[in-house]
Amino acid sequence: ETGVTQTPRHLVMGMTNKKSLKCEQHLGHNAMYWYKQSAKKPLELMFVYSLEERVENNSVPSRFSPECPNSSHLFLHLHTLQPEDSALYLCASSQVPPGSPLHFGNGTRLTVT
Amino acid sequence: GESVGLHLPTLSVQEGDNSIINCAYSNSASDYFIWYKQESGKGPQFIIDIRSNMDKRQGQRVTVLLNKTVKHLSLQIAATQPGDSAVYFCAEIQANQAGTALIFGKGTTLSVSS
Repeated sequence: ETGVTQTPRHLVMGMTNKKSLKCEQHLGHNAMYWYKQSAKKPLELMFVYSLEERVENNSVPSRFSPECPNSSHLFLHLHTLQPEDSALYLCASSQVPPGSPLHFGNGTRLTVT
Repeated sequence: GESVGLHLPTLSVQEGDNSIINCAYSNSASDYFIWYKQESGKGPQFIIDIRSNMDKRQGQRVTVLLNKTVKHLSLQIAATQPGDSAVYFCAEIQANQAGTALIFGKGTTLSVSS
């Protein structure tokens, strides 16, 4: 039990599909994050929500759309993805202001065919 | 741009040896640093952190050293065990900057043989 739960663990989707990744944190944190982890590359920050407001979007393509309905839940909506979007998508949470560790879920392994 | 890097992509040690994993950072404004461990099929797991007002911090079998003069961070693991085999990441952040998030290095894969 990591305190941050991601579903599904694995997802295979075609380029024309629409799917959503879900993240839930049980730690009472007030910030949530999406990171992308590709082979041989550092973790890439995609989105940050602080106090349920999006405060950072690192020029992520619009085919990725985040949603944060409350401080405990975070979604990543996917549509018309490309094969190069195949990666491990990690959700994390923390307290804000920063200065405390991020706690990560175990990720969703996404394969785009 | 600013980045956090690790000196070696892989490190192989024998069980019982001490391991040292190094990391260089470039953002002099960063004041909070974290080491994470990531095992296969899992997300990064917090190991230990250190703030810029310290140069050393110890945990259980782990020690983090921070040298702000040369912008260098290291993780020392004492009496390395097979269960320590994983990818280790350092990360930096400017604490108290609302909306900022951790910047990660590429990771060092630690392999422990018995």
